[in-house]
Amino acid sequence: QLQLQESGPGLVKPSETLSLTCAVSGGSVSSSSFYWGWIRQPPGKGLEWIGSFYPTGKSYYSSSLQSRVAISGDKSNNQFSLTLRSVTAADTGVYYCARGDSSAWNYFDNWGQGTLVTVSS
Amino acid sequence: DIQMTQSPSSLSASVGDRVTITCRASQNIDNYLHWYQQKPGKAPNLLIYGASTLYSGVPARFSGSGSGTEFTLSISSLQSEDFATYYCLQSYTTLPYTFGQGTRLEIK
Repeated sequence: QLQLQESGPGLVKPSETLSLTCAVSGGSVSSSSFYWGWIRQPPGKGLEWIGSFYPTGKSYYSSSLQSRVAISGDKSNNQFSLTLRSVTAADTGVYYCARGDSSAWNYFDNWGQGTLVTVSS
Repeated sequence: DIQMTQSPSSLSASVGDRVTITCRASQNIDNYLHWYQQKPGKAPNLLIYGASTLYSGVPARFSGSGSGTEFTLSISSLQSEDFATYYCLQSYTTLPYTFGQGTRLEIK
């Protein structure tokens, strides 16, 4: 059974870099049938897609975040990572990693439990 | 970017009621529209993908319809466990994916 687990600092200072990792078990980040994404949710607000990473090595990002964000994969450790630079309080929220099914309709079918990141000095 | 307008933003209903939630896309997205349910403190769960296909294990009281720019999620007979927040997601191309703003379904 596929499991996704986010990890990383729960507190990041303004202007610094947020780095999270999603460990994948029960599946492979190298599988050509899937891609991997990050989604976030500010406290009390809706979901926001951050970006997606494909096994080909290609990544796609939200228009509003693309100047600050990078998503990469680590096949040897079967995980993928999110880096968000120059964070502000507006980047506070729960960050989810998820698996995308690229076989037909490109939906996220499995999600991690989420990790809360607070941006504060 | 494709904009998704979800309505209503909140909805009050009773157990046994039928409810419908709508998502409208700012341009044609074919059937690349998916519905999620989220309960407080939990990750979203996939309900419907490809506009109308029920995801494995999801009760048959959930259904989805639509194509192009207008889509609906219906719950035929509300159960107590269905009170949650619902989101649509469009994934038409590798251009930015976008979620609807969410619909909070509350007990009347």
